[in-house]
Amino acid sequence: GEDVEQSLFLSVREGDSSVINCTYTDSSSTYLYWYKQEPGAGLQLLTYIFSNMDMKQDQRLTVLLNKKDKHLSLRIADTQTGDSAIYFCAESSGNTPLVFGKGTRLSVIA
Amino acid sequence: KAGVTQTPRYLIKTRGQQVTLSCSPISGHRSVSWYQQTPGQGLQFLFEYFSETQRNKGNFPGRFSGRQFSNSRSEMNVSTLELGDSALYLCASSLGDRGNTIYFGEGSWLTVV
Repeated sequence: GEDVEQSLFLSVREGDSSVINCTYTDSSSTYLYWYKQEPGAGLQLLTYIFSNMDMKQDQRLTVLLNKKDKHLSLRIADTQTGDSAIYFCAESSGNTPLVFGKGTRLSVIA
Repeated sequence: KAGVTQTPRYLIKTRGQQVTLSCSPISGHRSVSWYQQTPGQGLQFLFEYFSETQRNKGNFPGRFSGRQFSNSRSEMNVSTLELGDSALYLCASSLGDRGNTIYFGEGSWLTVV
């Protein structure tokens, strides 16, 4: 079945850039999402990208997609302490449910 | 515009009881999906409803059921609760068309004792 892999932890210093990586196995994945989850909260949609795009930028967030390698990354520029959270990568082929990775816990050191 | 609203936010139930969780999607959204989040299994898909019909179903036992009303609000029910049903239950809302953005609620925290 489909699988989405993420590294579990990432630690960065405040002001640096964070890069969270994700790989997926389903070649029919058409829509790829990044969600943020803060403690005790639900999932906040950060951004998404369609498989016919290579890059998407939204303020401090940059998403890069390498469809050949099935690799997705989320770059957060000028990382702040408020960015500390768990980040989930998810994929869908459009009419299928979201398949999530296990999440990457981002810790920002002041 | 209001986001996805889930009630109740927190609840504690005893083994063997049943529970009903409610979700009100974003206005105009016709698709509601439910996910279970646990530390061990992560985020797992339960089911999706679109225009009152179940469109997709995950790999959960029949104790887990859901429905959607004509106003797109959805409920999920878990009968004969087990300790392992303790989890965060998340509802997601979208327009329902292919590739639409999917928004989540704050979730319902269920503890089974």
